Amino acid sequence: AQSVTQLDSHVSVSEGTPVLLRCNYSSSYSPSLFWYVQHPNKGLQLLLKYTSAATLVKGINGFEAEFKKSETSFHLTKPSAHMSDAAEYFCVVSDLYVGNTPLVFGKGTRLSVIA
Amino acid sequence: EAQVTQNPRYLITVTGKKLTVTCSQNMNHEYMSWYRQDPGLGLRQIYYSMNVEVTDKGDVPEGYKVSRKEKRNFPLILESPSPNQTSLYFCASSPQTGVNTEAFFGQGTRLTVV
Repeated sequence: AQSVTQLDSHVSVSEGTPVLLRCNYSSSYSPSLFWYVQHPNKGLQLLLKYTSAATLVKGINGFEAEFKKSETSFHLTKPSAHMSDAAEYFCVVSDLYVGNTPLVFGKGTRLSVIA
Repeated sequence: EAQVTQNPRYLITVTGKKLTVTCSQNMNHEYMSWYRQDPGLGLRQIYYSMNVEVTDKGDVPEGYKVSRKEKRNFPLILESPSPNQTSLYFCASSPQTGVNTEAFFGQGTRLTVV
């Protein structure tokens, strides 16, 4: 069965400094991996996804993530945080061949950006 | 505009009073699902549907029902709501299940059961 562990429940950074949100996954087969963002009182928006092509994936708003199979990680990064990045971030794994549940969510990481 | 629409956005109800949260998508997606979001627990799947008339339980189905009579609609039914069902609910749809498929989410329904 697949699972996702987001290693930090809360990350706080200063505006203009780098962002690192950590995610480790477990999957029996080749996974697809996603990062979603949820702004306060909003739905979930896809930031980026890994689909077994390039291991470095670029997403919206300057975010990117690197798939590292040997470390079973898919950490989300951004070179310079902006106030508008403050939100909840979810790492998600999809595993085609295990049951019929396509998306398994991590518990989320709340990103705070300090002016 | 491609979207998933949930209604209502906010709902306060009393224990035991049946309610339905509607979900509709205009993207002709086959796969639809319901999640609940609780602090510290992330999103947990309640029910999902692979296609019309095909539904199955997710991780936390107790106390919920769903139906999929049409491709675009996937209502969530609480026959006898209880306070532990107070949560934020999301409906999602996908073109198909499997690798490389992303989900599109509704705006959420915040339910309070008193």
